[in-house]
Amino acid sequence: GESVGLHLPTLSVQEGDNSIINCAYSNSASDYFIWYKQESGKGPQFIIDIRSNMDKRQGQRVTVLLNKTVKHLSLQIAATQPGDSAVYFCAERSGGYQKVTFGTGTKLQVIP
Amino acid sequence: EPEVTQTPSHQVTQMGQEVILRCVPISNHLYFYWYRQILGQKVEFLVSFYNNEISEKSEIFDDQFSVERPDGSNFTLKIRSTKLEDSAMYFCASSEVRQATDTQYFGPGTRLTVL
Repeated sequence: GESVGLHLPTLSVQEGDNSIINCAYSNSASDYFIWYKQESGKGPQFIIDIRSNMDKRQGQRVTVLLNKTVKHLSLQIAATQPGDSAVYFCAERSGGYQKVTFGTGTKLQVIP
Repeated sequence: EPEVTQTPSHQVTQMGQEVILRCVPISNHLYFYWYRQILGQKVEFLVSFYNNEISEKSEIFDDQFSVERPDGSNFTLKIRSTKLEDSAMYFCASSEVRQATDTQYFGPGTRLTVL
């Protein structure tokens, strides 16, 4: 079936380095993508989003890249900090539907 | 900053019992959602709700589930006869408008444990 999934379950990075979290999706009808951060014991927290008519969007210390040709999404976090340690989910919406379809999540561990 | 709140934070119940999970969405939001996350698995969509009716639901949201907006601030999820496999984190979310790019804001979740 259609799905949104992640390549790596765990990513360990040194504090201060840049992090890149990858995501593959299979639904070619997806037209809106979101990255969420989930800290232990909390709900998903919106980080950044991108529409399918864009290939890059930047926020504060975060950048999302979208490659529709290969159905790939990435989240780049600059100068990773200990507070960035969390599980990161890519997610998608399509066709004007309200439901958000989440990927499986990548755990980011920041090494001090 | 406004946020979605949920109560209780943890609910323990016996199999076959009814549970009601409660949510207070962000005050000016019009669209409300329930998601669940079984331990170690993906967050899954259950239902969306607008103007006092369900607008979308997943195959998970069967006759055992119902949602209600009993007053101007609360949004509830009822499970009529809980099963062991209903054990999960249940997240409420809300969004301001119904656009494809509108951000859904999530609450902290209720951990439901069915014994």
